Amino acid sequence: EIVLTQSPATLSLSPGERATLSCRASQSVSNYLAWYQQKPGQAPRLLIYDTSNRATGIPARFSGSGSGTDFTLTISSLEPEDFAVYYCQQRSNWPPLTFGPGTKVDLK
Amino acid sequence: EVQLLESGGGLVQPGGSLRLSCAASGFTFSNYAMSWVRQAPGKGVEWVSTISSTGRSAYYAGSVKGRFTISRDNSMNTVYLQMNSLRVEDTAVYYCAKDKTGNFVGWFDSWGQGSLVTVSS
Repeated sequence: EIVLTQSPATLSLSPGERATLSCRASQSVSNYLAWYQQKPGQAPRLLIYDTSNRATGIPARFSGSGSGTDFTLTISSLEPEDFAVYYCQQRSNWPPLTFGPGTKVDLK
Repeated sequence: EVQLLESGGGLVQPGGSLRLSCAASGFTFSNYAMSWVRQAPGKGVEWVSTISSTGRSAYYAGSVKGRFTISRDNSMNTVYLQMNSLRVEDTAVYYCAKDKTGNFVGWFDSWGQGSLVTVSS
C-alpha cells in the first residue's frame, strides 16, 4: 500500500499570501496524484488531477507540480474561500486508492 | 448537473448490518465506475470500494473486505453498499463518488452530500 504524508499539518496564512502544500508518497506514483479541497460540512472537491491538471471550474490560482514521490499544491494568492483542508490522493498502485492525512489552511 | 444522493445511514449496533444507496442523475450512469469513500468524525478521507461501470468488477479496502459488498443497478441509476458485521471503527460519513471519466481513472469529480453511519451499542 502506498502511504501519502502531507506537510505541514496546519498552515496559517493571510488572504493574498501564497500557500505551498506538500505531499510525499512512500514509493513512486508517477504523475498519478490528485488534490482535493474540503470545507467544513461539505464533501471533498477535486481541484487537481494527474499532478497538474485543474479540474473543471477550478481557478487558475491553484496549481500542482511534482513527480515520482514529491508533489506540491500551490495557491498563488489566497482568497477568503480557500481556507479549508486539502488532501492529496494517489491512484498509481491500487487497490487501495489512498489519501494523505490532510493539510489545514487556516487564517493567521 | 450531476447529482448524487445517498440514503440509508443511521445508528446500528456492533455486528449489525446496513445498506446504503446512492441515487445518481445528470450523467449517463452506466458509463461510469462508482465508489464509496468514508470519513470518520474529525478524521481524514478513506477509500472504501469501487465498482466498474458494468458491475462486473469490484474492489475493496482491506479494512472492509469480506464484510462490505458494493453493487449497482444501472436501470435504476443507483449504487449500493451492503455493510455487514459492522464495527465501531466503521462509524463515518459515507460518500458516494463518481469517477472523472468513463474509463476508470480513480479521480472523483462529483460527490454526494454524505450519509452518516454510527456503529454503537
